[in-house]
Formats: sequence, structure tokens, C-alpha cells
Amino acid sequence: DAKTTQPPSMDCAEGRAANLPCNHSTISGNEYVYWYRQIHSQGPQYIIHGLKNNETNEMASLIITEDRKSSTLILPHATLRDTAVYYCIVRAQYSTLTFGKGTMLLVSP
Amino acid sequence: EAQVTQNPRYLITVTGKKLTVTCSQNMNHEYMSWYRQDPGLGLRQIYYSMNVEVTDKGDVPEGYKVSRKEKRNFPLILESPSPNQTSLYFCASTPRGGGGFEKLFFGSGTQLSVL
Repeated sequence: DAKTTQPPSMDCAEGRAANLPCNHSTISGNEYVYWYRQIHSQGPQYIIHGLKNNETNEMASLIITEDRKSSTLILPHATLRDTAVYYCIVRAQYSTLTFGKGTMLLVSP
Repeated sequence: EAQVTQNPRYLITVTGKKLTVTCSQNMNHEYMSWYRQDPGLGLRQIYYSMNVEVTDKGDVPEGYKVSRKEKRNFPLILESPSPNQTSLYFCASTPRGGGGFEKLFFGSGTQLSVL
């Protein structure tokens, strides 16, 4: 799997959009971008994934650059319950999911 | 409710005393996996199973065993636990053999301490 680079931590005010960046400059054409999050000591939770088009679901939006070398996860209206570690993972079909260190997002009142 | 259930949630044991951490899923998923999480090291895969009677090593399999006799259960066995196996353990499952598009469902975790 291609390696990803994420900032170790970010802050966001409650109610504002949280934009979490991820660099994956060595991503291959058959690799997808996945985002998971982990609230303190709980099991990781799937958020969203995409290949090259932007994606949106009830939790978040995923913006992937045209060259696919980076992406941004957007939580449109962050709440205190969104405080968690966010993992950006690139993965080819049928390969294992490898978690890095992620970004610790702290949402403050 | 669709879920992955791990037991126990907390476990304290002593070196060398065999233990089993159970994992069960009610979603009829083919693929199941075990991870351990340690501070500064992130989540690392221990073993995985693509289907019944099919298991494979992950990144850190030493000191662990698994079995997959039925689709819903995937127990993690520590035959002779050592202190370096003190960790937070997660079981996960996904449908269709872990293929590219399905999301992983994780259990709530088992905090193991080996004294």
C-alpha cells in the first residue's frame, strides 16, 4: 500500500467545518483512498472512501485532487463528538488495510 | 443489530497462562481479522481469515493463534502470553473476502494486560 502523510493534530471550533488533509503522492491507479476514525479506545469506524471522484455521505465529504496525490476529508459542521483520531489509508482491492498514526482532531466549544 | 462482539472487554493475566479472546459477528461476513494497537505504533494486523478454515498471517503474528471453524466466530488464542502482548486488541469483519470496496466493522476492543 502507498504511504500516507497526515498532520499529527488539528483543532476545530464546534459548528465549523473540519478539513483534514492527507498526502498520498505514491498512490497507484488501482488504489482507493479510505478514511476511518477512532474515538478514544473504541474500535475504528469507517467514514468514506473514493477512487478519483469526490464523494459525499451522511458523515463527510471526500475531495480527491485530480492527480490523486492528496485528498481532504471534510466534516461540514464539526461537533464535540467528532473529536477522534482520523486515519487516511490507501488500499488496493483485496489488500489489507494498514493504519498509520492518523490525525488527532480536537473539536472545541 | 449488526455488530462485531468481542469478549472480554478487559483481561488481566499472568505470563504463560493460556487465554482466548472471542470474536463473533452476526453479519454473515466472510472476512475477519485481528489487530493490536499500541501507543505510537498504530493498528497492526495479527491474523486474518478470508473464509471458514482459511487463515493467514498479518504483520505481527508471532505468539498468536487463530481458528475459523465457523463463519461467525474468529477467536484469538495466546498459548503462552508474555508482557509484550499487553495491548488493545480489535476484531473486525467485512463481507466478500475483504475485497476493495467493503468497509471494515470493528468490535469494541479488548484491553489485555499480561503481568
